[in-house]
Amino acid sequence: DVKVTQSSRYLVKRTGEKVFLECVQDMDHENMFWYRQDPGLGLRLIYFSYDVKMKEKGDIPEGYSVSREKKERFSLILESASTNQTSMYLCASSLWTGGRYEQYFGPGTRLTVT
Amino acid sequence: GDSVTQMEGPVTLSEEAFLTINCTYTATGYPSLFWYVQYPGEGLQLLLKATKADDKGSNKGFEATYRKETTSFHLEKGSVQVSDSAVYFCALSRSDNYQLIWGAGTKLIIKP
Repeated sequence: DVKVTQSSRYLVKRTGEKVFLECVQDMDHENMFWYRQDPGLGLRLIYFSYDVKMKEKGDIPEGYSVSREKKERFSLILESASTNQTSMYLCASSLWTGGRYEQYFGPGTRLTVT
Repeated sequence: GDSVTQMEGPVTLSEEAFLTINCTYTATGYPSLFWYVQYPGEGLQLLLKATKADDKGSNKGFEATYRKETTSFHLEKGSVQVSDSAVYFCALSRSDNYQLIWGAGTKLIIKP
């Protein structure tokens, strides 16, 4: 089974702090993604990476950056956390199989910025 | 551009009722279609998938048929249980794009 793990299930940070969210996958997937999920807004893509050191902005990259130094690890960084970044953060990796991409998700990190 | 539209929730049913959650899509070419489920407090899990027209995906008693003529992929279950309470997401994938296109999600509440 594909396993995607995230460093924390719950996190509380103060406004202005630098926050690191870590994601690790164990299936050698090329592509990894960070989403945020908010009530009524569904899933919104923040950033994705299609290879080591490669990244592309998603729909809502403002206030975030990412790092992918190793294939299995994809980090989301909030340079200066703000209260409007309180959200559920979901990491995913994807596999090319049978002519399509399938995404596999971690358990999520619920971040509260106070 | 590509898009996925799901019926708005919440959908509230009694245990053992029949479930349908509607999903329609707009896409060029021949996308693959997925249903994901998110149980409370957890990440998303792939529930079922279909890759071409008339394919039927099935898992855990849930089914969905890829209907190209109506651009639909409706999720159905014959008899729901309280444990099926979750948020269900419809999504599509094109072979030329890493990203999935997501519906807004439909919250399902099953009452005993």
